[in-house]
Amino acid sequence: AQKITQTQPGMFVQEKEAVTLDCTYDTSDPSYGLFWYKQPSSGEMIFLIYQGSYDQQNATEGRYSLNFQKARKSANLVISASQLGDSAMYFCAMREVDTGFQKLVFGTGTRLLVSP
Amino acid sequence: NAGVTQTPKFQVLKTGQSMTLQCAQDMNHEYMSWYRQDPGMGLRLIHYSVGAGITDQGEVPNGYNVSRSTTEDFPLRLLSAAPSQTSVYFCASSFLRTSGGHNEQFFGPGTRLTVL
Repeated sequence: AQKITQTQPGMFVQEKEAVTLDCTYDTSDPSYGLFWYKQPSSGEMIFLIYQGSYDQQNATEGRYSLNFQKARKSANLVISASQLGDSAMYFCAMREVDTGFQKLVFGTGTRLLVSP
Repeated sequence: NAGVTQTPKFQVLKTGQSMTLQCAQDMNHEYMSWYRQDPGMGLRLIHYSVGAGITDQGEVPNGYNVSRSTTEDFPLRLLSAAPSQTSVYFCASSFLRTSGGHNEQFFGPGTRLTVL
């Protein structure tokens, strides 16, 4: 079974609008961490936001927020006020306690295109 | 502070040739890892290390060797290159926190490898 599932291969959004990128995960561990990374066309991987399984509040970092629904095992990334520079691939990833938090498992990614 | 560096940026090999992809980090991170990125498949873990002298296999280790003689360096060796190893390779590092927590991985710029 896929550990991390990103069901949206591509998403389109207009500049200044908000967009939600979906991520569901599969784990039986009570302790895990969820990450979102951005990969622009230049290729580098840029860390965006982190959510721990025991965190009481949804994580936020500037225009990025994580809609964490533990019972549904979803960790959707919300980008508010989209900018042209947000056009990129976005990857959801998870680290689990049963691997000693040593392995980061990635989803297949969502390509976001922001139009003017 | 250079972060995670990788060399070379691009490489073309013929089937059967061997080569080493270099990775170095200057952040004193215990954990280092190698991923390959293929279209539609996200990033997949090849090998990882939790400290000098300690390495372990990830999801797709066949055809690759690693060693970790120092904290800073984690080279990836292709023993006998095959066209199936055509991919973009990323090295990443992080602090090691066995209890979880905010320990995002920092990625190098990647090496684009083509095997003919």
